[in-house]
Amino acid sequence: DGGITQSPKYLFRKEGQNVTLSCEQNLNHDAMYWYRQDPGQGLRLIYYSQIVNDFQKGDIAEGYSVSREKKESFPLTVTSAQKNPTAFYLCASSATNEKLFFGSGTQLSVL
Amino acid sequence: GESVGLHLPTLSVQEGDNSIINCAYSNSASDYFIWYKQESGKGPQFIIDIRSNMDKRQGQRVTVLLNKTVKHLSLQIAATQPGDSAVYFCAERGWNSGGSNYKLTFGKGTLLTVNP
Repeated sequence: DGGITQSPKYLFRKEGQNVTLSCEQNLNHDAMYWYRQDPGQGLRLIYYSQIVNDFQKGDIAEGYSVSREKKESFPLTVTSAQKNPTAFYLCASSATNEKLFFGSGTQLSVL
Repeated sequence: GESVGLHLPTLSVQEGDNSIINCAYSNSASDYFIWYKQESGKGPQFIIDIRSNMDKRQGQRVTVLLNKTVKHLSLQIAATQPGDSAVYFCAERGWNSGGSNYKLTFGKGTLLTVNP
């Protein structure tokens, strides 16, 4: 997984509950990203951050929130407003606007 | 609501054969392309990339071909091995809708199965 650590690997959410997915990188990359992957679908961008204390919405930001208080960390919170949260969530980082390095993913399921 | 498509294009090859995986991209202004490999339950791994000013690039056992005329990208894997079995997908880089930043757009992928 090359310096990007996602945890936990599996996560279960009860209805009405917020859950937070962790992403840490030690690659000294400025940019970090969160993607959602559904079976048979391409990756869809949730949020991204090009620099500490700044982040931007991606294509499917509704029901999600992020923070970027440290360069190494970019946690994603799946809020109760996200009505269909079951998916595989991938965090990535990049030193440039080119290739992304991905973590090993978190599978989120609803109880 | 969301639709969940379960039908990825698939390619089945025999061990030792060469594999060719294709990708059609959408934006003629895209200037950079990447191929990723994703094994089940894991994150995508970078395989190879190519810029739009090139039409071919080779790596170890892999070659990427870019045809900008028809907006087509292909990944060739030589002497395919069982460990190559995975989903392969391409990504293209273009500008976001506001024109302020690059954006990567990912394809849905092709499932490669290598039979021993």
